[in-house]
Amino acid sequence: KAGVTQTPRYLIKTRGQQVTLSCSPISGHRSVSWYQQTPGQGLQFLFEYFSETQRNKGNFPGRFSGRQFSNSRSEMNVSTLELGDSALYLCASSPPGSYTEAFFGQGTRLTVV
Amino acid sequence: QKEVEQDPGPLSVPEGAIVSLNCTYSNSAFQYFMWYRQYSRKGPELLMYTYSSGNKEDGRFTAQVDKSSKYISLFIRDSQPSDSATYLCALNNAGNMLTFGGGTRLMVKP
Repeated sequence: KAGVTQTPRYLIKTRGQQVTLSCSPISGHRSVSWYQQTPGQGLQFLFEYFSETQRNKGNFPGRFSGRQFSNSRSEMNVSTLELGDSALYLCASSPPGSYTEAFFGQGTRLTVV
Repeated sequence: QKEVEQDPGPLSVPEGAIVSLNCTYSNSAFQYFMWYRQYSRKGPELLMYTYSSGNKEDGRFTAQVDKSSKYISLFIRDSQPSDSATYLCALNNAGNMLTFGGGTRLMVKP
């Protein structure tokens, strides 16, 4: 069974630009969550999508947004990039009804210069 | 104060040692407790999960939860150099909104 796939693996963007990251969940998983990982703040929850609807949202500014498609694939978008947005962005998918099994992808390493 | 506290380490042990990794938390609403392992430049890998106080064993790994003290532990027996990684505890009350500890970096020396 294929794992969670995130693309691209690495990105370099300039301040003020926007970026879109993609996540393909494990087949059969309908919940997709996004996390930001930085050395200073660790892993922080961004948002969760289930059946194309945002179900939970973390404490991040509105520049961070996401969406989910009918095939459960998800994208997150960051607009007006700031230097502090440099981080590893991780996507996790969960099987139906589970609150304990979140399977992570390899992440997208975003560097803002 | 963070909701979940975890000693960042690094924790250095000789091969074969028993390793104890711990987290404390402040929110009694947390019901589900997970441990993840993260190697450098990789995503976190789910090791174990539990949702009740007590012990849960899986091979060389034992997860322990004490809800009354808001304290969770992961024990690794017969530690191997391949266990060298960052270990993250993650807690959840409902839904898929995990709250992570900061991670403990473990180094197992041959």
